[in-house]
Amino acid sequence: KAGVTQTPRYLIKTRGQQVTLSCSPISGHRSVSWYQQTPGQGLQFLFEYFSETQRNKGNFPGRFSGRQFSNSRSEMNVSTLELGDSALYLCASSQGGAPYEQYFGPGTRLTVT
Amino acid sequence: GENVEQHPSTLSVQEGDSAVIKCTYSDSASNYFPWYKQELGKRPQLIIDIRSNVGEKKDQRIAVTLNKTAKHFSLHITETQPEDSAVYFCAASAGAQKLVFGQGTRLTINP
Repeated sequence: KAGVTQTPRYLIKTRGQQVTLSCSPISGHRSVSWYQQTPGQGLQFLFEYFSETQRNKGNFPGRFSGRQFSNSRSEMNVSTLELGDSALYLCASSQGGAPYEQYFGPGTRLTVT
Repeated sequence: GENVEQHPSTLSVQEGDSAVIKCTYSDSASNYFPWYKQELGKRPQLIIDIRSNVGEKKDQRIAVTLNKTAKHFSLHITETQPEDSAVYFCAASAGAQKLVFGQGTRLTINP
């Protein structure tokens, strides 16, 4: 099976702009979770989608949002970008249920200038 | 909320020796504990996991132990090799797909 894919791999944006990141899970997996990785805060959970519904949410401001499509592909959106949003954004694919192994994509490196 | 503490933050061992990384968690409802290895510039890779109904699990040179009473779990790597050099993350989940990660341990294997 193909692994988890994320697009784009690299992105440079300016403060105040918005950005959309995409994640395609492993075929047959219905759960997609998003994480932010920074040197200072480590890996932090953003949210999880299962069958097009958000099931869990982390402690991030409302500028961070996401959605999932019927084919399980997921997008996350960050509006009004701040310098502190610069990070590696990772999505993880899982069969769903609770809890199953999560497999990470390569990530999107977002730089906000 | 759930908190996971991981120690040490850096670990250097001689090739062939063993390495041990320890984590503690705060939420007694946590029931799933995966370990990830992340090499520089690469994605976190699931290397082993353990569930709360098991005390120990082994996969070749890697083993994980869980002490539910003390809320501790540990990763043991035996006969270390240079390719084991990476950052290792522990995580805990309380019955959902939300993983709470430790801060990571940078493991260096010296030849």
